[in-house]
Amino acid sequence: AQRVTQPEKLLSVFKGAPVELKCNYSYSGSPELFWYVQYSRQRLQLLLRHISRESIKGFTADLNKGETSFHLKKPFAQEEDSAMYYCALSGGSNYKLTFGKGTLLTVNP
Amino acid sequence: EAGVVQSPRYKIIEKKQPVAFWCNPISGHNTLYWYRQNLGQGPELLIRYENEEAVDDSQLPKDRFSAERLKGVDSTLKIQPAELGDSAVYLCASSLGQGLRETQYFGPGTRLLVL
Repeated sequence: AQRVTQPEKLLSVFKGAPVELKCNYSYSGSPELFWYVQYSRQRLQLLLRHISRESIKGFTADLNKGETSFHLKKPFAQEEDSAMYYCALSGGSNYKLTFGKGTLLTVNP
Repeated sequence: EAGVVQSPRYKIIEKKQPVAFWCNPISGHNTLYWYRQNLGQGPELLIRYENEEAVDDSQLPKDRFSAERLKGVDSTLKIQPAELGDSAVYLCASSLGQGLRETQYFGPGTRLLVL
């Protein structure tokens, strides 16, 4: 079974502070991991995926297979980063995307 | 590019009434998904289409939910009869093809309230 856990429902930081949104997963094979973001009054959109090893809007995420984690990090948070962040996993032949419950990030001025 | 289009954006109905949601995917996207997102939860897949074929409907409550994607383009999700627990946001997404690495593009969702 696929499962994604985001332990923090809410995360609040000050502008310029580092931020880390935690994501742990459960999957027996080799999964694809994603971070999706939903800004206020906008639709859900892909932020980044682990296979691309890219940095989007200053965010990075490293897949740690030993700890089964895919935490999202940014060294200096900006107010425009305030949004709902969802970690998601895709695995197996059915390509099913399983989402965590999300973390609401608030970056205070 | 308009992206994935969904209508209506909001719907309020009384329990036991039927309701239908419509989705038009991004042009050229063969794969279409319907998700349900309950309050405080992440989206959960209901059904996935490859062209006009439903290839994964294992999560669709078939006693009251039905979906179709005639001609492999736009799709309709129906609930009949609706129950109080069906109140949620219904999201449609599409991708160019299937595969672990395909990016899914989401629509704005339809927010359903069942009274």
